[in-house]
Amino acid sequence: GESVGLHLPTLSVQEGDNSIINCAYSNSASDYFIWYKQESGKGPQFIIDIRSNMDKRQGQRVTVLLNKTVKHLSLQIAATQPGDSAVYFCAETPSYTGNQFYFGTGTSLTVIP
Amino acid sequence: GAVVSQHPSWVICKSGTSVKIECRSLDFQATTMFWYRQFPKQSLMLMATSNEGSKATYEQGVEKDKFLINHASLTLSTLTVTSAHPEDSSFYICSAKLAGGSWETQYFGPGTRLLVL
Repeated sequence: GESVGLHLPTLSVQEGDNSIINCAYSNSASDYFIWYKQESGKGPQFIIDIRSNMDKRQGQRVTVLLNKTVKHLSLQIAATQPGDSAVYFCAETPSYTGNQFYFGTGTSLTVIP
Repeated sequence: GAVVSQHPSWVICKSGTSVKIECRSLDFQATTMFWYRQFPKQSLMLMATSNEGSKATYEQGVEKDKFLINHASLTLSTLTVTSAHPEDSSFYICSAKLAGGSWETQYFGPGTRLLVL
């Protein structure tokens, strides 16, 4: 598979602070990226996505930034809450509608009340 | 919203036995389902892509004779771990993609935890 997500696995933040989770990818042909949240013992949940023709996309309290020049992706969570504690994965595919889909290493976010 | 279920949610078996895990899309049709394996504190690794009515496509390094996949209908795919051994203990997660849909329409099941003694 493709190499996605080579960054550190843990992040601790105070409740109310902003969180930034990073992800690197190696395939310059990657076309579509998704951030997922996985709580312990559960399957991944879709958070936000971005196509390669964009460099920023905003959702509710979350923003994804894409830097294609350095093949880097980040997820920003505003006003982090205890319920945001989970493992966050970036995932990448070279085709928006194809059948290859790869997850990064993941980052464990802990929110300190 | 679209829901994917897995059964069982957890299973303990003896070494050498076979275990079948079911993945169902409850309220939509999924021509393509995916099986992932996740070891503790690690990422999800794609094992195989399951297409309804055809043979599954396995990722490099995944033994097709050990991990049998059947996708007999548009709402059901099964993964059978044959002759399971302790190293097969893992969290198995399936996902289903809406027929003709893009990746934002991929929905994940809750996972099945397998422990082989």
